[in-house]
Amino acid sequence: KAGVTQTPRYLIKTRGQQVTLSCSPISGHRSVSWYQQTPGQGLQFLFEYFSETQRNKGNFPGRFSGRQFSNSRSEMNVSTLELGDSALYLCASSEGVVGYGYTFGSGTRLTVV
Amino acid sequence: DAKTTQPPSMDCAEGRAANLPCNHSTISGNEYVYWYRQIHSQGPQYIIHGLKNNETNEMASLIITEDRKSSTLILPHATLRDTAVYYCIVRDLTGTASKLTFGTGTRLQVTL
Repeated sequence: KAGVTQTPRYLIKTRGQQVTLSCSPISGHRSVSWYQQTPGQGLQFLFEYFSETQRNKGNFPGRFSGRQFSNSRSEMNVSTLELGDSALYLCASSEGVVGYGYTFGSGTRLTVV
Repeated sequence: DAKTTQPPSMDCAEGRAANLPCNHSTISGNEYVYWYRQIHSQGPQYIIHGLKNNETNEMASLIITEDRKSSTLILPHATLRDTAVYYCIVRDLTGTASKLTFGTGTRLQVTL
């Protein structure tokens, strides 16, 4: 079956703009998590959604938000972009709220200039 | 989540076994040990997980000490494609806190 699909793969934005990233989980998976990866901070948890409800949130400012749709697809939004938001944004899906294993997508590489 | 300690880097010759250690001395009874790896510019890939007993799958073996304070991931016959950053994570599956807390991992370099 198809894996976790993230779009777009690459994105360049200007400071102050906002951006929306998309994630389609594996069919049947109802939990979607988002992570940010930077060279300085490594992989950091952003938030997790299950059945359209945010279940867990990491320590990121309110400029970072997300949502999940009834078909389990998820989007994350970053408003008022800063240079430090340049990162690889990864989405992961699992079958349940506390899934035994997460399957990650290939990520969206966001560059803020 | 309990924290883990891993060596920053390791080398392994192709065809030999790669043994990647992980210390998790503050692990609690409900926490599982997970291993993921990340090949350059890709998303992390699940490898294996365990609670108390040793586990084996088609990718690797996981050896957990009796006191559960440390574990070793074994890649029995490493290939160049196993070059990656390997993350050891401890995770409680009993609650609703389902996030993965990644450390800095071990960068494994497999060489000819």
